[in-house]
Amino acid sequence: DTEVTQTPKHLVMGMTNKKSLKCEQHMGHRAMYWYKQKAKKPPELMFVYSYEKLSINESVPSRFSPECPNSSLLNLHLHALQPEDSALYLCASSQGGTGGLRNQPQHFGDGTRLSIL
Amino acid sequence: AQSVTQLGSHVSVSEGALVLLRCNYSSSVPPYLFWYVQYPNQGLQLLLKYTSAATLVKGINGFEAEFKKSETSFHLTKPSAHMSDAAEYFCAVSDQDNRLAFGKGNQVVVIP
Repeated sequence: DTEVTQTPKHLVMGMTNKKSLKCEQHMGHRAMYWYKQKAKKPPELMFVYSYEKLSINESVPSRFSPECPNSSLLNLHLHALQPEDSALYLCASSQGGTGGLRNQPQHFGDGTRLSIL
Repeated sequence: AQSVTQLGSHVSVSEGALVLLRCNYSSSVPPYLFWYVQYPNQGLQLLLKYTSAATLVKGINGFEAEFKKSETSFHLTKPSAHMSDAAEYFCAVSDQDNRLAFGKGNQVVVIP
């Protein structure tokens, strides 16, 4: 069982829809991450929250909007997505925030498989 | 910038044979290295990590990896492959901001 929970597991949406992905962890971790993973490729970092503040945005298009309501929750709001945005979206958390505790591993959820019609 | 290189996207191994996955790193600071495994339709699971405490690191599911600074390598091994080892394996290095730089991955196929 994974300690990072992501919902929903699957999501199909049209290009004009608005939806949200959710991620939750109760390990007391202070850094949370969103990744995008295409088939047969490694995960690509999108956003990092450190102590509930957005610390890294890897030049992600504005149709993806992250939110960190509290230290346990991370959301990814989706709007006007394109077919190429279809992918597995992974959430991860780690004990250290950015700039510290590099030796602490990231713990991943099982992801949300997103399909854009 | 930190990076890792994994060669050979597909690795076929017979059941019971040695599993060897190669990872070479490039890092301007002492590296922190990780091996992750991804089973179909799942997220990434940590196999093991190197954080400078010991050069030979033992992980879950019978895997281990040896850090060799002179060779800038962190190869993953398992003495005897099992059918359940069929998965995608990623080597990764963390940077100063705790971002992970992943290798391209190895798809391991276990032949009965």
